[in-house]
Amino acid sequence: KQEVTQIPAALSVPEGENLVLNCSFTDSAIYNLQWFRQDPGKGLTSLLLIQSSQREQTSGRLNASLDKSSGRSTLYIAASQPGDSATYLCAVKGAGNMLTFGGGTRLMVKP
Amino acid sequence: GAVVSQHPSWVICKSGTSVKIECRSLDFQATTMFWYRQFPKQSLMLMATSNEGSKATYEQGVEKDKFLINHASLTLSTLTVTSAHPEDSSFYICSAPAGSRNIQYFGAGTRLSVL
Repeated sequence: KQEVTQIPAALSVPEGENLVLNCSFTDSAIYNLQWFRQDPGKGLTSLLLIQSSQREQTSGRLNASLDKSSGRSTLYIAASQPGDSATYLCAVKGAGNMLTFGGGTRLMVKP
Repeated sequence: GAVVSQHPSWVICKSGTSVKIECRSLDFQATTMFWYRQFPKQSLMLMATSNEGSKATYEQGVEKDKFLINHASLTLSTLTVTSAHPEDSSFYICSAPAGSRNIQYFGAGTRLSVL
């Protein structure tokens, strides 16, 4: 059974810092990996999707990498802003379109 | 991108009543939809896979008689929480895959509070 772990569980940084969120998964047989953002009490916003054949994806200040063989992905956020404060979830897609989510990283960016 | 609409966004009900949550794919057809539950400060846990025209597939530990799923059309799946109790209070989110890469699109979620 696929297990997804995210480290750290919570992170507080001052505005302007670059930061890295980590995601690891136990079964490397994935189709893709997706990073989401979730604001309190809200649904999920997709940030980046990396196909299993890809190594990284970039969108603005966000860069996500994937090392499928080692079961790891990182989300890099450059020049963090208070508006980046949210919970970040990674999810891997296995057979049958099913997503398995990590526990999330709660990020707080202080002004 | 594709849009998934979920309704209602928030519902409060008395213990013992039933609550229906709708999940609609607005601009695409979805033969499969997924229902997740999220308790406070926890991640999303898959409850069941909704299949159009056939029975839903439930994850281990999820009571199929309590969480009734109906996927009667290619754009609508419903989750009915029957005889709700306070421990069923949670955030319920649906998703549906769309496009050639089967990217998952999520509804905005439904917050259920059972008194």
